[in-house]
Amino acid sequence: AQKITQTQPGMFVQEKEAVTLDCTYDTSDQSYGLFWYKQPSSGEMIFLIYQGSYDEQNATEGRYSLNFQKARKSANLVISASQLGDSAMYFCAMREEGAGSYQLTFGKGTKLSVIP
Amino acid sequence: DTGVSQDPRHKITKRGQNVTFRCDPISEHNRLYWYRQTLGQGPEFLTYFQNEAQLEKSRLLSDRFSAERPKGSFSTLEIQRTEQGDSAMYLCASSFDGGSEEQYFGPGTRLTVT
Repeated sequence: AQKITQTQPGMFVQEKEAVTLDCTYDTSDQSYGLFWYKQPSSGEMIFLIYQGSYDEQNATEGRYSLNFQKARKSANLVISASQLGDSAMYFCAMREEGAGSYQLTFGKGTKLSVIP
Repeated sequence: DTGVSQDPRHKITKRGQNVTFRCDPISEHNRLYWYRQTLGQGPEFLTYFQNEAQLEKSRLLSDRFSAERPKGSFSTLEIQRTEQGDSAMYLCASSFDGGSEEQYFGPGTRLTVT
């Protein structure tokens, strides 16, 4: 089974509108971390936001927030007030900490296009 | 803080040749990671160092791949006898021990094997 599933290959959003990018995960670990990264066409992976499995509050970083629903194993990224510069690939990733591993497992990504 | 740097940014090589990539992590980061990303996919983990010790290796890291991190600073990734299937973006990342330990990525080295 896929550990990280991003079901939206591509999304469109009007400038200044909010958009939600979906991510579901699969793990049997109790301790894990969830990450979102942005990859513009230049190729560099940019860290956006982190949510720990024991964090009770949803993480927020500026215009980014993570809608964490532990029972449903989902970690959706919400981008508020979209800007043209938000057009990029977005990857959800997980770090399973049970075995002391530090590797990230990534989904296949969602391509977000912001329309003026 | 100058970020993670990688060299070269692009490499074109013929099948069967050896190639070596270099990664310089953020200076205070003690953890260093290598990932590979092919077109249309997310990055896939290859290997991880804590200081100079290589602690994790993916099954993707065949015998033709070797990575080092002497003295716990920069790292090199060598691919011997390259194959066309090795064509990909090779990404390096680093993180600091503690907290959320988010990984900061370099710009990558794009390898094309002809």
